[in-house]
Amino acid sequence: SQTIHQWPATLVQPVGSPLSLECTVEGTSNPNLYWYRQAAGRGLQLLFYSVGIGQISSEVPQNLSASRPQDRQFILSSKKLLLSDSGFYLCAWSVSGLGYTFGSGTRLTVV
Amino acid sequence: EDQVTQSPEALRLQEGESSSLNCSYTVSGLRGLFWYRQDPGKGPEFLFTLYSAGEEKEKERLKATLTKKESFLHITAPKPEDSATYLCAVQANTGFQKLVFGTGTRLLVSP
Repeated sequence: SQTIHQWPATLVQPVGSPLSLECTVEGTSNPNLYWYRQAAGRGLQLLFYSVGIGQISSEVPQNLSASRPQDRQFILSSKKLLLSDSGFYLCAWSVSGLGYTFGSGTRLTVV
Repeated sequence: EDQVTQSPEALRLQEGESSSLNCSYTVSGLRGLFWYRQDPGKGPEFLFTLYSAGEEKEKERLKATLTKKESFLHITAPKPEDSATYLCAVQANTGFQKLVFGTGTRLLVSP
């Protein structure tokens, strides 16, 4: 069966520090991968998506970047965190693009 | 632009008191409408996919229905364990076909 792993579960980082969040999927090949951010009262906002290795599309210009070095690995990064980067980050995958399965999320607090 | 509006924002029910959650949507062409359940600090958990007006799906105490403009999530005789945030999302059948989410309905069921 397919599973998605996302870590860490919580993270507290100072302003200006770098960020790396990792997501891996098991049990499927060539999935579409997504990074969402969830802020209070704003719902889930799509940040990046990837349809294959090295293929990244950005939905919202921001302080973050994404990479897909392997078929089932998706990484969200920042060189210098801002206070506004705080939020709940969710990784998701789909095959054929119909409906998404989400990971357990990372709560990021920038202080 | 595809949009999803959920109401009410929050709903408080007594155990056994049935009610409905609303999801109004506009989309260029509907590929699917999705309902998710999200517990605090967790990723969204898939509940239902609806594809066309008139379709209904059931799971335990939950029943989802779909019209051309909105979807309802009916909760029959809810229990405290049904307390969660319920998210609605639409996926268009054109372009990248990303999931567009509403801001959710926070449901609290008291014993």
